[in-house]
Amino acid sequence: DAKTTQPNSMESNEEEPVHLPCNHSTISGTDYIHWYRQLPSQGPEYVIHGLTSNVNNRMASLAIAEDRKSSTLILHRATLRDAAVYYCILRGGADGLTFGKGTHLIIQP
Amino acid sequence: DSGVTQTPKHLITATGQRVTLRCSPRSGDLSVYWYQQSLDQGLQFLIQYYNGEERAKGNILERFSAQQFPDLHSELNLSSLELGDSALYFCASSAQGYPNTEAFFGQGTRLTVV
Repeated sequence: DAKTTQPNSMESNEEEPVHLPCNHSTISGTDYIHWYRQLPSQGPEYVIHGLTSNVNNRMASLAIAEDRKSSTLILHRATLRDAAVYYCILRGGADGLTFGKGTHLIIQP
Repeated sequence: DSGVTQTPKHLITATGQRVTLRCSPRSGDLSVYWYQQSLDQGLQFLIQYYNGEERAKGNILERFSAQQFPDLHSELNLSSLELGDSALYFCASSAQGYPNTEAFFGQGTRLTVV
């Protein structure tokens, strides 16, 4: 799976939107963009995934650049429970997910 | 609750010993994945099983082995344990194992080797 680049950490205020960026300049045409998050002392949790078009679900939105070399996970209204490490992962096959270091999201009350 | 059950939640054992970690996937999921998370290595993919057959191998040591049974539950066997094997071990399951399907993770087994 191709490599992704994310900021080590980001800070946001409660009840404000959060935009988490991810660069994946070597993405291939068949790679899906997945986002997972890991809350403290818990297993990773699926957030959202997409291929080319922007995606929305109850947790978040995924905005994918037209050239697919970058994407942004959008939390529309952050809460303290959204404080976690967020992982952007490219998945082209059915093998295991390749986790990087992710972005540590800090939410200030 | 992800629907993936891992037992035990905590395990403390001595160096040189052997342990077995168990995972029950979500109902109907055919793929099971094992991951190791340590402080210095992050989340590392170990091995994947699909409907009873080994499908992919990641950074799994030769001292470690796994299997998936006909009822689809899986076990990860760790032998000749070393201090460095202390970590969180996660199991995940997915329906088909295609790249556009999500994986659901259990709460993990925390292994401490003393």
